[in-house]
Amino acid sequence: EAQVTQNPRYLITVTGKKLTVTCSQNMNHEYMSWYRQDPGLGLRQIYYSMNVEVTDKGDVPEGYKVSRKEKRNFPLILESPSPNQTSLYFCASSFSQDRAKAFFGQGTRLTVV
Amino acid sequence: GIQVEQSPPDLILQEGANSTLRCNFSDSVNNLQWFHQNPWGQLINLFYIPSGTKQNGRLSATTVATERYSLLYISSSQTTDSGVYFCAVGSLRNTDKLIFGTGTRLQVFP
Repeated sequence: EAQVTQNPRYLITVTGKKLTVTCSQNMNHEYMSWYRQDPGLGLRQIYYSMNVEVTDKGDVPEGYKVSRKEKRNFPLILESPSPNQTSLYFCASSFSQDRAKAFFGQGTRLTVV
Repeated sequence: GIQVEQSPPDLILQEGANSTLRCNFSDSVNNLQWFHQNPWGQLINLFYIPSGTKQNGRLSATTVATERYSLLYISSSQTTDSGVYFCAVGSLRNTDKLIFGTGTRLQVFP
C-alpha cells in the first residue's frame, strides 16, 4: 500500500530536549516536504527536498533541520524545541513532475512544555 | 508571495444540503489542489485542478485560472463530509512550494 508514514503520532517533550520526527514513503517519490499546521494559519511549509542530498527552506524554517540521505526518508529535527513549536506536523511526498498530487502522512502532534 | 483566501471560514449544514466553497488566489498558478482534513486530522487529496472542471461522486470542482479562483461543490452533504477543506496552490514563480489557504470548516448535522 502506497503511504507516507510518520512517527511518532503524538509527542510531549520539554523545552530544549532534542527530538526527531521521522517520515518515510514507499512510492519512490523524489519530492518530500514538511508542514506545520496551526489554528487559523493553515499549513505552512518548513523545509522541502527535491531529491537525495537536496534540501531547501520553506516559509518557516527557523528552529528546524532536515536531512535527505536516502530517497525514502526525510526526518525533521528539532535541536532545541521551544513552546512555540507546539503544532501539528505533516510530511508529504510526490513525484517531481507532478508535485500537486501529494501524499500526506497521518500527522504528528507535538507539544513542547 | 502568492496569497490564498478561502471562504466562508465556517459552514454549518444539515444533511442533504448542497454547498459551495471558494478559493481565491492572487497570482498565476501552475497547480491547484483541494484537500479534506477529516476530524482525525488526516489530509486527503480531493482534486488536482489547475484549470477546468472535475467531478468525483458528490464532489466537483471548477477552477477559472484567468480569474484566479476555484470552487468546490458538495452536493447532498453527509455527516462524513465534516472537517476542514483546504485549497492549496503552486505558483508559476515558485513551483517548488505548495501554499495553503486557511481552510473552510464544514459541519454537517443529521
